[in-house]
This record gives sequence, C-alpha cells and structure tokens, in this order.
Amino acid sequence: NAGVTQTPKFQVLKTGQSMTLQCAQDMNHEYMSWYRQDPGMGLRLIHYSVGAGITDQGEVPNGYNVSRSTTEDFPLRLLSAAPSQTSVYFCASSYSAFQGSSEGTQYFGPGTRLTVL
Amino acid sequence: AQKITQTQPGMFVQEKEAVTLDCTYDTSDQSYGLFWYKQPSSGEMIFLIYQGSYDEQNATEGRYSLNFQKARKSTNLVISASQLGDSAMYFCAMRGGGNTGKLIFGQGTTLQVKP
Repeated sequence: NAGVTQTPKFQVLKTGQSMTLQCAQDMNHEYMSWYRQDPGMGLRLIHYSVGAGITDQGEVPNGYNVSRSTTEDFPLRLLSAAPSQTSVYFCASSYSAFQGSSEGTQYFGPGTRLTVL
Repeated sequence: AQKITQTQPGMFVQEKEAVTLDCTYDTSDQSYGLFWYKQPSSGEMIFLIYQGSYDEQNATEGRYSLNFQKARKSTNLVISASQLGDSAMYFCAMRGGGNTGKLIFGQGTTLQVKP
C-alpha cells in the first residue's frame, strides 16, 4: 500500500492564481481531511469528508474548495491564492470518524509546502 | 471543550536512554482516542501509537509505550533505547467530538537525542 499520497510536494504561486492540491489514499478509508500547519497555530482543519459525495467545512474553509467523487481521491482547490495561504498542507485519512476506536487513527500524507507571493 | 496540553517545549536525551514525553488532555466524552505523532525535520506526520479510553492495558508499539492514567487524564509517551533518528517534534492528539472528526493537537515537544 502506498498509504496517503499528495502532489505536488512544493509549489510557488502568485497572488490570484488558482491550483489544486491532489490527495489519494489506497486504504479504502471513508474519512478524509485537509489540514494546514502554520508556525504558532498548529494544525487546523480546512475541510473533511466522511465518504464519497459528502464534504463539509472545518475550522478554516475560506478560500478553499473540495470534492469527493471517489473514495480514493480528495483534492483541495485554492480558488484565488493569497499570501495568507502560504502554509504546509496535509491530507489525512482514517477508516472512520469515530473518536473512540483505533479505526479513527488518521494517517497523513507527506505534505505540500505552498508559498504564495 | 476538548484540549491537549504538552508542557515540555524541548527535551534532551542521551542515546540509548529512555525518555518520557508528557501529555494531558481534557474532555467530557466517555469514549475517546488518544494518538501520538512524530514530525521529523523532513516534515511528514508519522503515526506512532494509539490509546483508547476503554483500553485497560497501556498501549505498546515496539520502542514506544504509553503510560495512560485515565483518572489524571494523562497519556505520556515513553520512548525506550533512544536513537538519533528519534530526534523530532512529537505531538499528542485527540480525535475531536462532534461531526468533524478533527484531530486536536497539543503544542508539541521537540526531542533531541544526543550521541
């Protein structure tokens, strides 16, 4: 199993550009999520999905869109990049969203380091 | 509200010795899961070990073990026989309640292993 994969690993954008961060998992996990990690702010949830066709907003969804057409893929779209979106982005997945079971263990992708100029 | 607290910003340990990283948590849920992740300087988040609130035994995974004290709401990570490759940031986390399923992270502890 490849686990959770993310592309690209690094990206530089200009303000106003759009792009899609790709995320895929091959573990047949129902739950997938996107976090951003910023110094002093920790990891914050952007969007999440509990299954194909179902997505919802996390803590910091503004400026980002997601879709979940298949169980495997969960792309994150930046609509119009801003310098405030400079961050490290992690995709994560787990078998379920249930908090009281090891099935809720979230596995992370390698991350995408995004810089917006 | 749920909260994770890691009070040790930085720790040093001599190679081959054991080290304990502290974590306390706050939740009103009866059923919950606690996780530890390792983030080396390369940046990836690596899952290490899980402890369920109803688990009667402390979790162990190779050189990693947890000292889970439910009444004190603490779940300290013990790394035995430290190796140079253990130098990293370590995060304690709890799966949040409600529908989002988000992970709530502590501030992290930076561990440096000395040769």
